[in-house]
Amino acid sequence: QKEVEQNSGPLSVPEGAIASLNCTYSDRGSQSFFWYRQYSGKSPELIMFIYSNGDKEDGRFTAQLNKASQYVSLLIRDSQPSDSATYLCAVNDYKLSFGAGTTVTVRA
Amino acid sequence: GAVVSQHPSWVICKSGTSVKIECRSLDFQATTMFWYRQFPKQSLMLMATSNEGSKATYEQGVEKDKFLINHASLTLSTLTVTSAHPEDSSFYICSAREDSLINEQFFGPGTRLTVL
Repeated sequence: QKEVEQNSGPLSVPEGAIASLNCTYSDRGSQSFFWYRQYSGKSPELIMFIYSNGDKEDGRFTAQLNKASQYVSLLIRDSQPSDSATYLCAVNDYKLSFGAGTTVTVRA
Repeated sequence: GAVVSQHPSWVICKSGTSVKIECRSLDFQATTMFWYRQFPKQSLMLMATSNEGSKATYEQGVEKDKFLINHASLTLSTLTVTSAHPEDSSFYICSAREDSLINEQFFGPGTRLTVL
């Protein structure tokens, strides 16, 4: 499987703040990147995916991709307590390779 | 749409027994399904890729004779953990890729296996 690295956290942010999650990947040829959210004891749920360099916004979430730096990030704006979860970065080259995940806690 | 189910959602078994887990795509066809395992506080690790009508492709380090995969139809893949031992206790998650959406996988809710 491909190498996918995430800052392990935990990341604690106050309610209403921006949470910033980072991910790097080893294979320069990788084309598509996914962010999943996983609550404890549950399976991952897709937040968004990105294929092209630049930013992609979906509601309070923004994914950023820089293929030259082999870097993808996720910003969560106006963080809510319900955003407290583990966030998984994944590289999709026919099959998904997951990072270790970053645990986010949003303090009310 | 794009719902994947797993059965059972949890199972407790005695050491040495075999356990079968089913993964179904409810409203789409999935030529390809994937089986993952997740230990506590760890990320998902791909165990194998299940292909309808052919043998599964196992990841390095995964024993194919212990984790039997059968993908007999376009909507069903099964994982059988044979001669289960306590170290096989884990969260098993399947995903299915809709044939027309090759870049996205839809995850099942997972099966919690506890081997006593």
